[in-house]
Amino acid sequence: QSALTQPASVSGSPGQSITISCTGTSSDVGSYNLVSWYQQHPGKAPKLMIYEGSKRPSGVSNRFSGSKSGNTASLTISGLQAEDEADYYCCSYAGNNTWVFGGGTKLTVL
Amino acid sequence: EVQLVESGGGLVQPGGSLRLSCAASGFTFSSYWIHWVRQAPGKGLVWVSRINSDGSGTSYADSVKGRFTISRDNAKNTLYLQMNSLRAEDTAVYYCTRGDWHFDYWGQGTLVTVSS
Repeated sequence: QSALTQPASVSGSPGQSITISCTGTSSDVGSYNLVSWYQQHPGKAPKLMIYEGSKRPSGVSNRFSGSKSGNTASLTISGLQAEDEADYYCCSYAGNNTWVFGGGTKLTVL
Repeated sequence: EVQLVESGGGLVQPGGSLRLSCAASGFTFSSYWIHWVRQAPGKGLVWVSRINSDGSGTSYADSVKGRFTISRDNAKNTLYLQMNSLRAEDTAVYYCTRGDWHFDYWGQGTLVTVSS
């Protein structure tokens, strides 16, 4: 149950696009199409942004998109806005009814 | 409106016990898996435990296995986490969250502090 690997921080200017990677193993990210992404603002509960790799819940902006290649999943945010500044976490089903999160990525909008 | 409200957190000495509760409303509680996820101060999210819809199936992270027990009372729309043999490293905000393979609704969390 080792944490998935995310960059500690990423940044971008308003209007730009950024991508956050999430690297796991063949036992978690690589084995299941069950990666989800969460946005967390300071002092707030996490919010689901992407599930099953690339699906968006109702109400989530289409500026958010997800993908996966091999053992690495990615979250892309296009048209960056100030309100996107937050921490982002990936999560994957890891088999045997266990789940594993990434260490989190702090997004700064310059 | 879906709501999950945690309670039961507080200060406990190392080796002590605490029981967290999560009261659910706004959805058919007995139809959903529910999880506990924790976040140490200034740190990331960590999955802790899961229980299936009728309570017959549970699973735990290695770090809490044998010390924590998840349960639910579908008649009361309430989830529980019994935490025994608490350690300093269990200090965290504990969230309950709904979902099967992903977590679509979250409570606001309850803070557990393990310290002498």
